Order: sequence, then C-alpha cells, then structure tokens
Amino acid sequence: ETGVTQTPRHLVMGMTNKKSLKCEQHLGHNAMYWYKQSAKKPLELMFVYNFKEQTENNSVPSRFSPECPNSSHLFLHLHTLQPEDSALYLCASSPGLAGAGVTDTQYFGPGTRLTVL
Amino acid sequence: GNSVTQMEGPVTLSEEAFLTINCTYTATGYPSLFWYVQYPGEGLQLLLKATKADDKGSNKGFEATYRKETTSFHLEKGSVQVSDSAVYFCALNNQGGKLIFGQGTELSVKP
Repeated sequence: ETGVTQTPRHLVMGMTNKKSLKCEQHLGHNAMYWYKQSAKKPLELMFVYNFKEQTENNSVPSRFSPECPNSSHLFLHLHTLQPEDSALYLCASSPGLAGAGVTDTQYFGPGTRLTVL
Repeated sequence: GNSVTQMEGPVTLSEEAFLTINCTYTATGYPSLFWYVQYPGEGLQLLLKATKADDKGSNKGFEATYRKETTSFHLEKGSVQVSDSAVYFCALNNQGGKLIFGQGTELSVKP
C-alpha cells in the first residue's frame, strides 16, 4: 500500500469502552500528526511526533493517549470518551521534522469516523 | 498570531462556471500556503501549494497565486465539473511545522 492508511475507517464506541486508532505511513516520512475534524469547526491539531518523539500536545484531554512506536506507525488510544469527542480523526505525515524553519507539505490519511454513544 | 480566513459556503455553481474561493491569511514571516480538498467520506488531499510570494500553484485546472501584498491565496478554476464538488481548505505552514487551516468552503456543482 502507498501513502497514509488509517484503520478502522468507522468506529462506534460507548463511553466506557477502550479502543485504538491506527495510522501507518508508507512514504518514509519523519513526522506524524493527529488532527480532529468536528462539524462546523476548523481542523484541530492534537499531537505531533518527530522520529517517534512527541513534540506537541495541543492541550488534548488525557482520555486521548497517542503512541508512536516507530516513524511509520502512530496510534491514538481512546478511553472513557464523551459524546462530544465524536468526529473524524485524521492522521498526517510530512517528510521533514515538524519544527522551526520547516514548511513541509503534510499528507493525510482517509480518517477514522468516530461515534461515541 | 497565524490565522486563515476563507469565504463562507456553501458555494453552488452550474457545471462549466468559473470558480473563485477567497482565502486571506495573517502570519509573521514567510509561510507556505496550501489548498487541500476533501471529497465526501474521505480525508484531505493536497490540491496545490506555493512556498513564496508571487508563486502560482496549479493542479487539475485549479490555480492560486501567493499575494504577499494582499495576504491572499484565492483558489480559481475556469470551468468546474460535477466531480469538483467537495470541501476546500486553505492552510498555511509558518515555519513551525503546524498547519493552520481555514474553516473550509463547501462547493456544490450542479449538472
């Protein structure tokens, strides 16, 4: 497979469940990102990883827990979510490291549509 | 701070009509500018980009010119098709590695 893939594409979970979202990039990139896209709101950056190291946590609640075991894989572990967390969660990657002086293009996966009941 | 403002949608056009979606930005320094497109049920795809003033990005008949004097990056297409129906996002990357997005503009093209 090429590009950025995300699984599952759709997920329905109760507020007491624990689930994980997976992202994989096949582009040899060094930075990976999680974004949240809610209805009627601009995309919100959640987390940034450079070479497996988290460099940005954009004030995300602790019920979202990211994990980056290597530069090709990124997970978002979910537990005790709220209905307002229902959204499209998008993963992205970029060739260079995210940081000062970098204006790289980011490449997005298709997203996971999450519904919290 | 950095921000992006897009014209509000939805925009409804007939096939073969001319399209303009306005985008203006606020940023310090010299950001790169992007247009992304999101088709129904899919993630974001890069449509075009420009990395410095007066650059013109183009792809699939779409164009946008980086205008530093007016801090704008308006998206244009001479003749839209039904398959262009999607949500279009303007974004900037201001040397911090973070993409700042506008709120998106929904385009609907009718046959």
